[in-house]
Amino acid sequence: QVQLLQSGAEVKGPGASVKVSCKASGYTFTSYYLHWVRQAPGRGLEWMGWVNPASGATNYAQKFQGRVTLTRDTSRSTGYMEVTRLTPEDTAVYFCARDFYDTANNHNYFDYWGHGTLVTV
Amino acid sequence: QSVLTQPPSVSGAPGQRVTISCTGSTSNIGDYDVRWYQQTPGTAPKLLIYGNDKRPSGVPDRFSASKAGTSATLAITGLQAEDECDYYCQSFDSGLSGSIVFGGGTKLTVL
Repeated sequence: QVQLLQSGAEVKGPGASVKVSCKASGYTFTSYYLHWVRQAPGRGLEWMGWVNPASGATNYAQKFQGRVTLTRDTSRSTGYMEVTRLTPEDTAVYFCARDFYDTANNHNYFDYWGHGTLVTV
Repeated sequence: QSVLTQPPSVSGAPGQRVTISCTGSTSNIGDYDVRWYQQTPGTAPKLLIYGNDKRPSGVPDRFSASKAGTSATLAITGLQAEDECDYYCQSFDSGLSGSIVFGGGTKLTVL
């Protein structure tokens, strides 16, 4: 079965960096884009960006460009999200999500999500 | 301020029908599919609707959705207590360097 297992909660001081991992299992890691979405306490979902595990190509929401880096290690079937220059406003639960693309009907959607990683700044 | 606009809250009695709106623009909903996700507190979101109106297997047919122009609507019939949670619409926006965008979320309360 498909699973996305994220690393544990982190507590960081302002100005520090944090790197969260998302280990995929139950499917071919390189066949699906991996997205990252965060949710501040009591707030809505905020898309951060995606990484193409096959090529390493990335795309970021404008808000996070220059401060967020998405990478992957295909040998470990793991995606990583690093945020630098943390501020208290970065306190949130960070989710990874698999992007399923239905080629027959040209639909895509997030079909599997990690459990989330709480980052407290 | 979210690119897609949802009402912060809606409510309904058990058995009733409620709708949740999601309003966007020509650069997102007007040109691209809408998905809906359901999220209970402390858990990851769950896909409810994709391709504007399609239910993944396992999602009850009490949940339906539609899209017209630059707006989308999620409808829930036969409200049950377990439906009380948060709902988010999502689309793609071509005006933001190819970004995924979410609505601000709607809290459904079952009275």
